[in-house]
Amino acid sequence: KAGVTQTPRYLIKTRGQQVTLSCSPISGHRSVSWYQQTPGQGLQFLFEYFSETQRNKGNFPGRFSGRQFSNSRSEMNVSTLELGDSALYLCASRLDGGANQPQHFGDGTRLSIL
Amino acid sequence: QKEVEQNSGPLSVPEGAIASLNCTYSDRGSQSFFWYRQYSGKSPELIMSIYSNGDKEDGRFTAQLNKASQYVSLLIRDSQPSDSATYLCAVKAGGSYIPTFGRGTSLIVHP
Repeated sequence: KAGVTQTPRYLIKTRGQQVTLSCSPISGHRSVSWYQQTPGQGLQFLFEYFSETQRNKGNFPGRFSGRQFSNSRSEMNVSTLELGDSALYLCASRLDGGANQPQHFGDGTRLSIL
Repeated sequence: QKEVEQNSGPLSVPEGAIASLNCTYSDRGSQSFFWYRQYSGKSPELIMSIYSNGDKEDGRFTAQLNKASQYVSLLIRDSQPSDSATYLCAVKAGGSYIPTFGRGTSLIVHP
């Protein structure tokens, strides 16, 4: 069974640009969450999507947005990139958003802002 | 605010020893507990899930949960250098869809 797939793996952008990251969850998983991980802040929750609806949102500015498609694939967009957005962005999927199943992470997208 | 606390380490143990990693949490309503391993430059990998008080064993790994004292531990027996990684504790409350992650404990197993 294929795991969570994130593309691209690496990305280099400059300040002010925007970026879109993609996540394909494990087949059958309907909940997709996004996290930002930096050495200083650890794993920070961005948002969670379930059945194409954003169900939870972390404390990030509106420049960070996302969506989920009918096949559960999800995209995350960051606009007006800042140097501080340099991080590893992780996507995690879960079978059923309401139950206690664990999340499974993709390999992440490493975003560098110049 | 829900908090999950872990000692950042590093925790250094010799090869073959037992490594003990601890995690405390603030929300008494927490119901699901997870341990992840993260190698440097890689993504977190699920090791164990535990939902009820007591011990749960899986190979060299044992998770211990004590809800009354609000802590969960991970024991790694016969530690190997390949176990050197950061271990993340994640705790999910009953009314929440999203687990709260600790900052992780760095484990170093030296030969």
